[in-house]
Amino acid sequence: ETGVTQSPTHLIKTRGQQVTLRCSSQSGHNTVSWYQQALGQGPQFIFQYYREEENGRGNFPPRFSGLQFPNYSSELNVNALELDDSALYLCASSLPRYGYTFGSGTRLTVV
Amino acid sequence: ELKVEQNPLFLSMQEGKNYTIYCNYSTTSDRLYWYRQDPGKSLESLFVLLSNGAVKQEGRLMASLDTKARLSTLHITAAVHDLSATYFCAVPLPLRNQFYFGTGTSLTVIP
Repeated sequence: ETGVTQSPTHLIKTRGQQVTLRCSSQSGHNTVSWYQQALGQGPQFIFQYYREEENGRGNFPPRFSGLQFPNYSSELNVNALELDDSALYLCASSLPRYGYTFGSGTRLTVV
Repeated sequence: ELKVEQNPLFLSMQEGKNYTIYCNYSTTSDRLYWYRQDPGKSLESLFVLLSNGAVKQEGRLMASLDTKARLSTLHITAAVHDLSATYFCAVPLPLRNQFYFGTGTSLTVIP
């Protein structure tokens, strides 16, 4: 069992809508990162949160935003959805030097 | 920008054969991670390589890291069907916990 839980597992949204994805981090892990994985590609870094503050951001537009809560759970919000936002969204929690533990992901389809 | 390249991208091999997957990266890093992904699933951590010359083995898989050559290898010994999956290497951005993933190697083991 991964210890990182994401919800929902699948989601279908219409272009222009907004979506919120949720992640519950593994106990004791105070860093959470979000990745986008388009079909047939490797995951791409969206952003990372450490102790409730954004601690790094990849090459994604501002309509991708996030939150981390005191219990280290996290949300990824995407506004004004585009068709290219269709992907598997992965949440990962981590401790330094030990790499990530990934959640099972949320499959987002934008139609 | 850090680039991580894997080759081959696709690999079809017969059961019982040996093969090596290569991961090259473009910047200095003393760490590298290997992950496995089954179709439609999340990423499973395989190996954490934390120093130059590190070698880790688990079952039929062995990973190594040469930080001077900026190269990691994932060697498959006597492949079995259960190893069929996509394998990713990931390199952390220096001084940060942001990972750059390779393009992935899709491995199919044929009976």
